[in-house]
Amino acid sequence: DIQMTQSPSSLSASVGDRVTISCRASQSISRYLNWYQQKPGKAPKLLIYLASSLQKGAPSRFSGSGSGTDFTLTISSLQPEDFATYFCQQSYSTLLLTFGGGTKVEIK
Amino acid sequence: QLQLQESGPGLVRPSETLSLTCTVSGDSINSSSYYWAWTRQPPGKGLEWIGSIYYSGGTYYSPSLKSRISISVDTSKNQFSLKLASVTAADTAVYYCARYSNRFDPWGQGTLVTVSS
Repeated sequence: DIQMTQSPSSLSASVGDRVTISCRASQSISRYLNWYQQKPGKAPKLLIYLASSLQKGAPSRFSGSGSGTDFTLTISSLQPEDFATYFCQQSYSTLLLTFGGGTKVEIK
Repeated sequence: QLQLQESGPGLVRPSETLSLTCTVSGDSINSSSYYWAWTRQPPGKGLEWIGSIYYSGGTYYSPSLKSRISISVDTSKNQFSLKLASVTAADTAVYYCARYSNRFDPWGQGTLVTVSS
């Protein structure tokens, strides 16, 4: 199994802050890494696919980077609507798709 | 616009079989470019992939659930379904269906299934 480890598990930040979330894979997954945003009581929503491609309709303040085992999701200037939980997901192994444990972004 | 909607019982007794259906609207489930997937999220916890099915019936299942799950597709109704046998309290979760092509998008709104006597 490919294990996905996110850090931190939670963070507190203020509106306007630059926020970075890390995701590490237990083995190389090339660039087969997606990021999702989930708000309370709602389904996850795709933000970034293939490590750095911005999903249509997602705000440009979101960006993704990385390859191999280490990946980063960056929010360039945190907005009130960005307070949510973020999950990474590897799509390298189609026999067993796995998610990171999530990072909850809270208001400071 | 593609939309997915889960349906099924919200309460299942322990040891029984959980059955859910996902109805796809706005596109044909026969598309050769996509798989159709189930994931779940226990209350307050992270996401777990359950399994995926191709329109022709080919399936991929999570190894940890493989012995208990079955996913099928009904192209005439533009639906796909999940059956999870021998449920326990650990199977209590919000169950989501989604379209999958190297990424899950879009997702259904999710349905909470509680396993309790």
